[in-house]
Amino acid sequence: AQTVTQSQPEMSVQEAETVTLSCTYDTSESDYYLFWYKQPPSRQMILVIRQEAYKQQNATENRFSVNFQKAAKSFSLKISDSQLGDAAMYFCAYRSADSNYQLIWGAGTKLIIKP
Amino acid sequence: DSGVTQTPKHLITATGQRVTLRCSPRSGDLSVYWYQQSLDQGLQFLIQYYNGEERAKGNILERFSAQQFPDLHSELNLSSLELGDSALYFCASSVGTGALTSGNTIYFGEGSWLTVV
Repeated sequence: AQTVTQSQPEMSVQEAETVTLSCTYDTSESDYYLFWYKQPPSRQMILVIRQEAYKQQNATENRFSVNFQKAAKSFSLKISDSQLGDAAMYFCAYRSADSNYQLIWGAGTKLIIKP
Repeated sequence: DSGVTQTPKHLITATGQRVTLRCSPRSGDLSVYWYQQSLDQGLQFLIQYYNGEERAKGNILERFSAQQFPDLHSELNLSSLELGDSALYFCASSVGTGALTSGNTIYFGEGSWLTVV
């Protein structure tokens, strides 16, 4: 069975600085998807970025980028120029590319932005 | 706005009661998922429907049931409610075709807050 591990329960960063959130996963599959979701205090679950395992190029969305290391089964999220609005819980999630579409979730990392 | 609509946004009810949470998926999405998130905990997958049929079942209690209708909206029924059922219930949707397409992203609604008193 697939598992997702986020080893950092909480991270803090100074506003305008860069922070990296870690995520590792375990799977025997070769085709899958990886996601980072953000959950602010409003508790809404917001998709931040996604990565297809068959793509070697790391995904980027504005200030958010990932470092996808398939062999190491690592999928970290880098947030550049951190803003106060980035404060949230960040969840890493795995999804198989086969007919099972469930998301496997990490435990989450609470990101604190210091003004 | 993800395009997934959930109602009601907030609900307070007494123990032993029954409630129904409603979800309209994004236009064109065939898969609907239900998740439960208790306070300070991660998401627990409850159940998935694809084009009206149950596709996968997670940690869903026997007191809970769900269905997806021909118009693809879904309802989650929670009965004999207990204090521990208080949580944020998310509905999510995706295209769910099974192919390696951009439709494999799951989009979440804003959730329904259920408080059992």
